[in-house]
Amino acid sequence: AQTVTQSQPEMSVQEAETVTLSCTYDTSESDYYLFWYKQPPSRQMILVIRQEAYKQQNATENRFSVNFQKAAKSFSLKISDSQLGDAAMYFCAYTPFGNTPLVFGKGTRLSVIA
Amino acid sequence: GAGVSQTPSNKVTEKGKYVELRCDPISGHTALYWYRQSLGQGPEFLIYFQGTGAADDSGLPNDRFFAVRPEGSVSTLKIQRTERGDSAVYLCASSLAQGAFNEQFFGPGTRLTVL
Repeated sequence: AQTVTQSQPEMSVQEAETVTLSCTYDTSESDYYLFWYKQPPSRQMILVIRQEAYKQQNATENRFSVNFQKAAKSFSLKISDSQLGDAAMYFCAYTPFGNTPLVFGKGTRLSVIA
Repeated sequence: GAGVSQTPSNKVTEKGKYVELRCDPISGHTALYWYRQSLGQGPEFLIYFQGTGAADDSGLPNDRFFAVRPEGSVSTLKIQRTERGDSAVYLCASSLAQGAFNEQFFGPGTRLTVL
């Protein structure tokens, strides 16, 4: 069974600094999709960034970037120039095919300190 | 356009009662997903619709849980004989489901509390 592990239940970062959230996953598939979702207190999940496993280049979206290590099955999220609005739960997620249910990790709660 | 909406936002019920949770997907989205998020956990898959039919219901925990999508748009998650362990946030997501990949857009969820 596919699993997603987030080993950091909580993280904190100073405003304007950089923080990295960790995620590992287990799969026997060679092609798949990985995601980072943000869930603020409003509960609505927001897609932050995604990575297709067949692409070697790490995805970036403005201040958010990933470090995708396929052999190690690692998928970390780096947030640069952290802002107060980045404070939320962050979930790593996986799906073996593009339009199938997501498998989520347990999440990392990120606090941003002013 | 409007996003995914879910009603009610919060539902409090007593053990043993029947509840219905509604999801209105984004117009034109053929795929619809239900997830359950218990306190301190990530969302867990329950059931997935492609059009009107359930493409995968392997995540439903037992036969007290049932979901329908009769016209391929709005979906209702039905829970019979609720138990305290059913207390959670129930999330709905929808996507176009065409081609290799389409983003799942989530609703704000329904928080179910079973007393």
